[in-house]
Amino acid sequence: EVQLVESGGGLVQPGGSLRLSCAASGFTFSNHWMNWVRQAPGKGLEWVANIKQDGSEKYYVDSVKGRFTISRDNAKNSLFLQMISLRAEDTAVYYCARTYYDDGSAYRPFDYWGQGTLVTVSS
Amino acid sequence: DIVMTQSPDSLAVSLGERATINCKSSQSVLYSSNNKNDLAWYQQKPGQPPKLLIYWASTRESGVPDRFSGSGSGTDFTLTISSLQAEDVAVYYCQQYYNTPRTFGQGTKLEIK
Repeated sequence: EVQLVESGGGLVQPGGSLRLSCAASGFTFSNHWMNWVRQAPGKGLEWVANIKQDGSEKYYVDSVKGRFTISRDNAKNSLFLQMISLRAEDTAVYYCARTYYDDGSAYRPFDYWGQGTLVTVSS
Repeated sequence: DIVMTQSPDSLAVSLGERATINCKSSQSVLYSSNNKNDLAWYQQKPGQPPKLLIYWASTRESGVPDRFSGSGSGTDFTLTISSLQAEDVAVYYCQQYYNTPRTFGQGTKLEIK
């Protein structure tokens, strides 16, 4: 059974930092592009970043460029999101999501999602 | 960035009736190399993560009931629920995976009339 379990969320002050983790199991993690998607309270979905199978390519939404860093450890089946210079508008549930695999392309839908971890940026 | 616009924002349908949600992209998401539309539909129930329903605009994900169907091409797409069930109450999102950043529609809230 595919499982994605996020952790690391919490309350942080504006300007602070946080590192999110996503533990993957039930599939060959190193075969898949992986993503972070966030959802502000009561709002819609916003894709944040993705990372290639070997970590050699990373892409970000403009609003987090220079502040967030996506990374992965294939040996530990884990995905990470390092967040610095956090702002109130970064407050959201952060989901780890797997990219569907057929030929290894990044341009595929997200077929499994974790339950999410809540990040609250407030003083 | 490709802007995805859904209509309506909310919808109330009687049990057993048809529900139709529309999604329009600001540019075509038809990938010419394989003639497939890079368009997905997700269902999100309260307190749960999104669930993939439809991809390539019209391919149903494994395990998704056949009352859910997707159609359209280029810039205009539709999600149809042929006979609404109580468990279909949710927010539905379209998403393009044609380019980066991946973008979602604003969501359509589906309720029972």
